[in-house]
Formats: sequence, structure tokens, C-alpha cells
Amino acid sequence: DQQVKQNSPSLSVQEGRISILNCDYTNSMFDYFLWYKKYPAEGPTFLISISSIKDKNEDGRFTVFLNKSAKHLSLHIVPSQPGDSAVYFCAAGGSQGNLIFGKGTKLSVKP
Amino acid sequence: DAGVIQSPRHEVTEMGQEVTLRCKPISGHDYLFWYRQTMMRGLELLIYFNNNVPIDDSGMPEDRFSAKMPNASFSTLKIQPSEPRDSAVYFCASNPGGGNEQYFGPGTRLTVT
Repeated sequence: DQQVKQNSPSLSVQEGRISILNCDYTNSMFDYFLWYKKYPAEGPTFLISISSIKDKNEDGRFTVFLNKSAKHLSLHIVPSQPGDSAVYFCAAGGSQGNLIFGKGTKLSVKP
Repeated sequence: DAGVIQSPRHEVTEMGQEVTLRCKPISGHDYLFWYRQTMMRGLELLIYFNNNVPIDDSGMPEDRFSAKMPNASFSTLKIQPSEPRDSAVYFCASNPGGGNEQYFGPGTRLTVT
């Protein structure tokens, strides 16, 4: 059973608009959550993270929101740019040191 | 730093052959992770090491898969014998410990015919 779910396999957004990528998790013991970005033929690269004690973390155009009661987090990209087109993975981790990844959402930002 | 280095980048082999994937983590990183990415299952953790010691190998699919980390700067993932369903992209990642961000290598695309 998947502990981290990204229910939208793809998302298409117009350049300049907001992109919202969603992620749900089932394990309330997760301590932190991360978003990774992946371009074709490359490994995933870290984008932004949030601790379970926070509900928001912002880094430039990227903001992650965490709703612990709903076991839901989202990544907002404002404004979206064509270079943001990639696959975005949500990941969750606990005290063990390993991460559980979702299956990813492919974001396409159209000029 | 050169980042996490993986070799080969591409591997094509026939069913039944032994395959060895290699990884050099970032210097000073205490944790090393092996992942497999497929369309069906996404990015799944196979095994991870802390200070060269395997901590959790519950993600290794079957006995045909084995991983070693003989020293802090080198790890291998071996599949023997390989099967077509092993075709996937295999990633290695490392982490300095004490934090949660993992740094990924470029991956090895394995095709078993």
C-alpha cells in the first residue's frame, strides 16, 4: 500500500500562472516532507522541504504547505515558467533516515 | 564536488546475465541509498547503508539482488541472474546524515532483453 500518493500523474499550466501540485500521505509518524524535481535523463534534485512542526515554507517562487490533520501537502509555483516543466516527486521521511516517494506528477508549463 | 557518480549510465544485457551497477557517493556523506524507478511503481527504495553498514534491505525485490558497500566511497548493486522485468532506471543517492535532503546521481538505465 502506498504511503505517499500523488494522484495527478500530469498537470498543464500556462506560463505566468500558478502551478499547484498535491500529495497525500498515510503515516502520521513522518517528520518531514520534501519535493524533488526531475528532468529527463537526470536524477531527482531537491527543491524544498518542510518539517512536520510547520505548516508553510517558502523559497522564492516555491511554497510548500502542510496540512497535518488532512495528511496533505502541496507545492505552489508562482509564477510558473517553461523551465519548471519536469516531473515533481513528493517524499516523506521519519527518524529512520530513509525517504518514501510518491509516483510523481509531470508538470508542463506552456508559453 | 562532482556529486554522486554512477556507472554505467546505460546497460543493455541479455536475460540470465549478471549485471553490476556502481556508485560513488559524495565525499563525507554517511548514508547511501539505492532506488529503482519504473513507470508502474515509481521511485522505490531498494536498500540503504549508514557508515557502510546495510540498515534496511526490505525493498530488495528478491535474492537475485544484492548490494555491497566495501568502503565509504564505493557501492555496488548486483543482479544475478537478470530478468527482463528488472529493466528500469536505478538511482544512487547519498546524504550527509543529520538532515533529510538526499543527493541523487544521474541514474543507470538498465535494459534486460
